[in-house]
Amino acid sequence: KAGVTQTPRYLIKTRGQQVTLSCSPISGHRSVSWYQQTPGQGLQFLFEYFSETQRNKGNFPGRFSGRQFSNSRSEMNVSTLELGDSALYLCASGDRAAGNTIYFGEGSWLTVV
Amino acid sequence: AQKITQTQPGMFVQEKEAVTLDCTYDTSDPSYGLFWYKQPSSGEMIFLIYQGSYDQQNATEGRYSLNFQKARKSANLVISASQLGDSAMYFCAMREGPYNQGGKLIFGQGTELSVKP
Repeated sequence: KAGVTQTPRYLIKTRGQQVTLSCSPISGHRSVSWYQQTPGQGLQFLFEYFSETQRNKGNFPGRFSGRQFSNSRSEMNVSTLELGDSALYLCASGDRAAGNTIYFGEGSWLTVV
Repeated sequence: AQKITQTQPGMFVQEKEAVTLDCTYDTSDPSYGLFWYKQPSSGEMIFLIYQGSYDQQNATEGRYSLNFQKARKSANLVISASQLGDSAMYFCAMREGPYNQGGKLIFGQGTELSVKP
C-alpha cells in the first residue's frame, strides 16, 4: 500500500511568486492535513480537508490556501511568497474508518530567496 | 499555553540500551489521542505509536512502548534496545477531541536523540 506522496520534494522560489504543493493521501483516506515546520516555530497546523471540505484551519494569513479534490488528493497554495515562508511543508492523511493513525509524507522543502 | 511539552531538547543513549523520551500534555477534552513520530534529517515524519485517551492498556509497537499516565497527563515514549538508526528527532503530538472532529495535531518542540555506538 503506497504511503502519503508529496510533490515536489524540493523547490526554490523568489519573493513575490506563488507556489503550489501537492499531496496524494493513502488510498482510502479522506482526511488530508497540512503543516508548516520551521526551526523557529516548530510544527504548525495549516488546515485540514475532509471529503473536499475544509474542516479545520490554523492561524495563518490568507496567502495560504488549499483545496481537496474528489479523489482526496490535496493541494496547498502560497501566494506572494515571503522569505519567512521558507519551511518544510508536511502533508498528513488519515481516516477514522482506517483507525486512529495519522500518516505523514516526506514533505516539500520550500526555499524562498 | 503550551499544550504539549517535551522538556528534553537533546538526549544521548548507548546502543542497545533503553531510553525514555518525556512528553506531558494539557487538555480539558476527555477524548484525545496521543502520537509519537520520528523525524530523521531527511524530513519525513514517521509514525511510531498511538494512544487513545480511553485505551486501558499502554500502547506497544515492536521496540516502542508508550507509558501513558493519564492522571499525570504524561505520555512518555520508551525505546528498548536502541539502535544507531534510532538517532533522529522525536515529536510527541496530540489530537484533541474524537477523530471525527478532525485530524488536527498539536506538536511538542521535539527531542533530538543520539545513539552512541
